[in-house]
Amino acid sequence: DIQMTQSPSSLTASVGDRVTITCRASQVIRGDLAWYQQKPGKAPKRLIYVVSYLESGVPSRFSGSGSGTDFTLTISSLQPEDSATYYCLQHNDYPYTFGQGTKLEIK
Amino acid sequence: QLRLQQSGPGLVKPSETLSLTCTVAGESINHRFYYWAWVRQPPGKGLEWIGNIHFGGTTNYNPSLKSRVSISVDASKNQFSLNLSSVTAADTAVYYCARHEGHLSIPDPWGQGTMVTVSS
Repeated sequence: DIQMTQSPSSLTASVGDRVTITCRASQVIRGDLAWYQQKPGKAPKRLIYVVSYLESGVPSRFSGSGSGTDFTLTISSLQPEDSATYYCLQHNDYPYTFGQGTKLEIK
Repeated sequence: QLRLQQSGPGLVKPSETLSLTCTVAGESINHRFYYWAWVRQPPGKGLEWIGNIHFGGTTNYNPSLKSRVSISVDASKNQFSLNLSSVTAADTAVYYCARHEGHLSIPDPWGQGTMVTVSS
C-alpha cells in the first residue's frame, strides 16, 4: 500500500493567516493527488484534484501544489468557514489511501 | 445531477454481516466508465477506502478487509451494496458510498453517510 503522511495533525490559525498543510507519499504518485474538506457530520467535499485543479465553486484562496511524493494545500487568507478537517488522497494505485487528516481551527 | 442515497441498519451484532445499499439517482449504474465505491470513517478517526466495483463485475478491495468484504451491483434497481462479514467493534464507523468517474479516479460525489454500530 502507498502510505500518505499528512502534517500537521492539527492547526490553529487566525482569520487572514496563510495556512499550509503537507502530504508525503511513500512512493511516487505522479499527479494522482486530491484534497478533501470535511466538516462535522458531513461527507468529505472535494476541493482540489490532480494536485492543483480547483473544484468548481471552491474559493480561489485554496491552492494545491507539488509533484512526485510531496504535496501541499495552501489557504492564502483564512476565513472562518474554513474551519474543518482536511484530507489528502492518493489514487495512483489500489488501495486508495488517505492522509491522517489535519484539523484546522480558527482562533 | 448524480445523487447517492444510502440505506441499511445502524446496528449490527458482533460476528454478523454488515449490509448497506446505495441507490444511484440521476445516472445509470451501467455507465461504462464509472466505478462505485465504499469508504468508512470510525468515530473521531480518518477515512479508509474499502473498495469499488464496475458494473461489469470488476472489483477492487482494500487488502486489509479483502477476506471479509464483498461489493455487488444490482443494475435492475440502480443500486450497489456492501457486505462486511464477521464484524467486530472495530468495524463501527460511518460508511459512505461514492462514485469514481473511472478506473483510478477520485471518489465524488459521496452519499450522506450511514453510522453503523457493532454491538450486542
